[in-house]
Amino acid sequence: DVKVTQSSRYLVKRTGEKVFLECVQDMDHENMFWYRQDPGLGLRLIYFSYDVKMKEKGDIPEGYSVSREKKERFSLILESASTNQTSMYLCASSPPKGDRTDTQYFGPGTRLTVL
Amino acid sequence: AQSVTQLGSHVSVSEGALVLLRCNYSSSVPPYLFWYVQYPNQGLQLLLKYTSAATLVKGINGFEAEFKKSETSFHLTKPSAHMSDAAEYFCAVSHSGGYQKVTFGTGTKLQVIP
Repeated sequence: DVKVTQSSRYLVKRTGEKVFLECVQDMDHENMFWYRQDPGLGLRLIYFSYDVKMKEKGDIPEGYSVSREKKERFSLILESASTNQTSMYLCASSPPKGDRTDTQYFGPGTRLTVL
Repeated sequence: AQSVTQLGSHVSVSEGALVLLRCNYSSSVPPYLFWYVQYPNQGLQLLLKYTSAATLVKGINGFEAEFKKSETSFHLTKPSAHMSDAAEYFCAVSHSGGYQKVTFGTGTKLQVIP
């Protein structure tokens, strides 16, 4: 079974702090994704990566950056957390076939609260 | 551009009743469509996907969906709801081009009433 793990289930940070969210997958997937999930808005793509050290902006990249130094790990960074970044953050990965039909596998999510 | 619209942010059904969750898509290329489910305090997992092989797609836990090009729809159904079906359901469409980018709908929360 594919396993995608996220470093924390719940996180509370203060405005202005630098925040790191970590995601690790164990299936040698090329593609990894970071989404945020908000009530009534569904999932919105923040960033994705299709290879080590490669990244692409998603639909809402402002205020975020990412790092992918190893294939299995994809980090989301909030350079200076703000209250409007309070949300559920979901990481996902998908196989390397490069096929539009491929499934994305999700981690359990990190619920971040910024005070 | 590809997008999906889910009609109804909340749906309530009685246990044993038909489940119908609606999804309409917009796509400039032949669409590939997905339904994902999110149980409370969990990530999303795939229920089923349409990949053009068959218009009626069967998924896990007794769910199925029918692709109707004329109606640009991909509605999710289950003949008889079970309490364990209570969850949030997301319709999604994959993009053309590379990298398997997917756009999700806003989600429908299913409540099952005993």
